[in-house]
Amino acid sequence: DSGVTQTPKHLITATGQRVTLRCSPRSGDLSVYWYQQSLDQGLQFLIQYYNGEERAKGNILERFSAQQFPDLHSELNLSSLELGDSALYFCASSVTGIGETQYFGPGTRLLVL
Amino acid sequence: QQQVKQSPQSLIVQKGGISIINCAYENTAFDYFPWYQQFPGKGPALLIAIRPDVSEKKEGRFTISFNKSAKQFSLHIMDSQPGDSATYFCAASNSETSGSRLTFGEGTQLTVNP
Repeated sequence: DSGVTQTPKHLITATGQRVTLRCSPRSGDLSVYWYQQSLDQGLQFLIQYYNGEERAKGNILERFSAQQFPDLHSELNLSSLELGDSALYFCASSVTGIGETQYFGPGTRLLVL
Repeated sequence: QQQVKQSPQSLIVQKGGISIINCAYENTAFDYFPWYQQFPGKGPALLIAIRPDVSEKKEGRFTISFNKSAKQFSLHIMDSQPGDSATYFCAASNSETSGSRLTFGEGTQLTVNP
């Protein structure tokens, strides 16, 4: 158990809908990362937050957004969902967010029908 | 230039054998190279990591070999066990410019036969 929690574990929804994925980092970690894992794209970095501020952005679609709250938990919002958004979404956390180990949560499996 | 190439895609070894997975990168600014292990239905878990100031790092049965001039690094699993059967990902990051975003290789599915 990495200490990173993610909810929900599974999510089934329809195209065009909006969902919110939640992540709680390890105690003491200030940085949160979101990654998407799909069969065709592999593990792809989406976005990083550090202590409430956006630090780095990857190939995140405009339909996707995230934020980190004062209690350091983070939410990833996915809107106008398409079939191709079906994937595993992982949250990871680290202490400072610079060149160190990232600890991954168990992931949320999203299925868009 | 951000890519990390990993091979082989899949690997089958016998119990007790040596598993070797290779990765190559292009971005010379990468300064942190972790390997992650992922079991089905689980998140990736850090196995071992190396920085470019050393050429080898060993932790138990797991060893990373790093060749800075060739821009390659590899994972060696000695005395492979059926419990090692999982997907392995190499990754790289540049702590100077883009935080710690990890660029992952494509993954290697390792099967260790008893």
